[in-house]
Amino acid sequence: NAGVTQTPKFRVLKTGQSMTLLCAQDMNHEYMYWYRQDPGMGLRLIHYSVGEGTTAKGEVPDGYNVSRLKKQNFLLGLESAAPSQTSVYFCASSPVGNNEKLFFGSGTQLSVL
Amino acid sequence: SQQGEEDPQALSIQEGENATMNCSYKTSINNLQWYRQNSGRGLVHLILIRSNEREKHSGRLRVTLDTSKKSSSLLITASRAADTASYFCATDATGFQKLVFGTGTRLLVSP
Repeated sequence: NAGVTQTPKFRVLKTGQSMTLLCAQDMNHEYMYWYRQDPGMGLRLIHYSVGEGTTAKGEVPDGYNVSRLKKQNFLLGLESAAPSQTSVYFCASSPVGNNEKLFFGSGTQLSVL
Repeated sequence: SQQGEEDPQALSIQEGENATMNCSYKTSINNLQWYRQNSGRGLVHLILIRSNEREKHSGRLRVTLDTSKKSSSLLITASRAADTASYFCATDATGFQKLVFGTGTRLLVSP
């Protein structure tokens, strides 16, 4: 039982490049989330999904897109990376209709030069 | 803006001592949760307290909630070096479909 798996763990991009972060969960959870963590800022919600085929904006959605084509996967895309997107990205999941316990992946450290 | 704000930002204690950290929030909540994050790792859920509860225990953890003051505290008793981590509160605000995390307290427990 792997839980929540994020790939890649580390990535360095040049300004303007694009990339996709993959999150996979094997717990059959309906809800999935993408957060970014910056020093002194705590975790901020980027986008979230309440089920397969649905997505919604969080607190800081600009510059990111997401897709939830399969229940177990939640993809976060950066179309044109900017230095301000240098951060640690965390994916999380939780059971349906329940914000009572989030399960987190181990994170992706992204640097945009 | 952040819903929860932890206090203190950093705390340094000796093994065996108790550690107390506080969380204040701004709006009505359904529940409040505490998470731990070890360096370089994801967050791990510790404990949840509902809005109609005032105190909850789990092992060496004790959480209190004062909805009139919009605040919560996390007490770790008899701390160990392995408790060294950052601790975050997260609130499930009424009417929202997501948790909002605070900025965290960095706890250092020295042997």
